[in-house]
Amino acid sequence: GESVGLHLPTLSVQEGDNSIINCAYSNSASDYFIWYKQESGKGPQFIIDIRSNMDKRQGQRVTVLLNKTVKHLSLQIAATQPGDSAVYFCAEKEAGNNRKLIWGLGTSLAVNP
Amino acid sequence: NAGVTQTPKFQVLKTGQSMTLQCAQDMNHNSMYWYRQDPGMGLRLIYYSASEGTTDKGEVPNGYNVSRLNKREFSLRLESAAPSQTSVYFCASSAAGQTNQPQHFGDGTRLSIL
Repeated sequence: GESVGLHLPTLSVQEGDNSIINCAYSNSASDYFIWYKQESGKGPQFIIDIRSNMDKRQGQRVTVLLNKTVKHLSLQIAATQPGDSAVYFCAEKEAGNNRKLIWGLGTSLAVNP
Repeated sequence: NAGVTQTPKFQVLKTGQSMTLQCAQDMNHNSMYWYRQDPGMGLRLIYYSASEGTTDKGEVPNGYNVSRLNKREFSLRLESAAPSQTSVYFCASSAAGQTNQPQHFGDGTRLSIL
């Protein structure tokens, strides 16, 4: 997971800058990783996923990097916009277990205009 | 595109009351899930249904029951609500099967137990 306690780690960036949100996962047997975005009052929204046989995957303005050696996952958002302000969660899935996702505790991204 | 629809959006109950939270998905997904989200604890799986007709316990099933009514609908029931069940409840669905697929979430039910 990413952190413990009631206070989410917060990343504050200027509009137009690139953002990098990090996640340390726990299970070396995990084979699938997902990033979600959650806006206030909404459910988690799927952003991008990556399988363990890859180390990078790109979407629209987002890139996910996977480093299995140090069990680290990151989400890069290019040209961050005010609409990107939200809590971002990483989740991992263990190989052979198609049901259960293990969730991080989230990182709050604040975009300053 | 409706995706995953949850009802109600908000509810206040008294301790001991019962309630059913409804969830429906229109994506023809086989798997459905119920989570609760509490501050500082992330999302915790209550129950899931791998396919129509099957249900299994997740991390925190105590105090809850579920029904997979058909492929579209998966309901969560609190038989005797307790203050510890005050939370935001999310339903999700996925096409999970042989390949990894993301879960898609509804916008939640905010439940307060007094």
